[in-house]
Amino acid sequence: EDKVVQSPLSLVVHEGDTVTLNCSYEVTNFRSLLWYKQEKKAPTFLFMLTSSGIEKKSGRLSSILDKKELFSILNITATQTGDSAVYLCAVMYSGGGADGLTFGKGTHLIIQP
Amino acid sequence: DSGVTQTPKHLITATGQRVTLRCSPRSGDLSVYWYQQSLDQGLQFLIQYYNGEERAKGNILERFSAQQFPDLHSELNLSSLELGDSALYFCASSVGIGVPGLTIYEQYFGPGTRLTVT
Repeated sequence: EDKVVQSPLSLVVHEGDTVTLNCSYEVTNFRSLLWYKQEKKAPTFLFMLTSSGIEKKSGRLSSILDKKELFSILNITATQTGDSAVYLCAVMYSGGGADGLTFGKGTHLIIQP
Repeated sequence: DSGVTQTPKHLITATGQRVTLRCSPRSGDLSVYWYQQSLDQGLQFLIQYYNGEERAKGNILERFSAQQFPDLHSELNLSSLELGDSALYFCASSVGIGVPGLTIYEQYFGPGTRLTVT
């Protein structure tokens, strides 16, 4: 059975700290790994990773994929209270000519001022 | 604003009833996905349509069905509702379906419909 496991489930840090969120996966026919940020509404897209070892960056956020060890990390540096959210990892896989998507349960990140 | 619209925003109904959730994808997007998010199950992929045809199925119950119309909007029909069906239902869209090994399309989520079954 395909699965995506995120850790930690919850994380509380102070503003300015750096955090690392983890996502490990076991899927057949892996295509890509996606990170989303979800506040009190719909998930918003952060990154899509398809190649191993290539870091993607967007401001204070960065992410990298390791396809050999089957995991990805999402780093947030100099955290701000606006970074407080649930961060979702999802893995896209192919099967029967179409894509499927399996989500992890998310990491709830709380940034305290 | 992702460009994906969903109606209604909130829906409260009784057990045993049937409801229809509606989704309009972003302009130009051919693929529509439906997800269910509940507190205990997290985000679950239900079903995907591409240009009117069903292309992938996830954890969708037999009481649920969906379709995509020629104008590309999609509807998710939930029948014989149970208390456990209470959840946030998201629709997402993407440009294409993706060809394995060649193209991958990112998905954009709508604001969701919150369904409460009493």
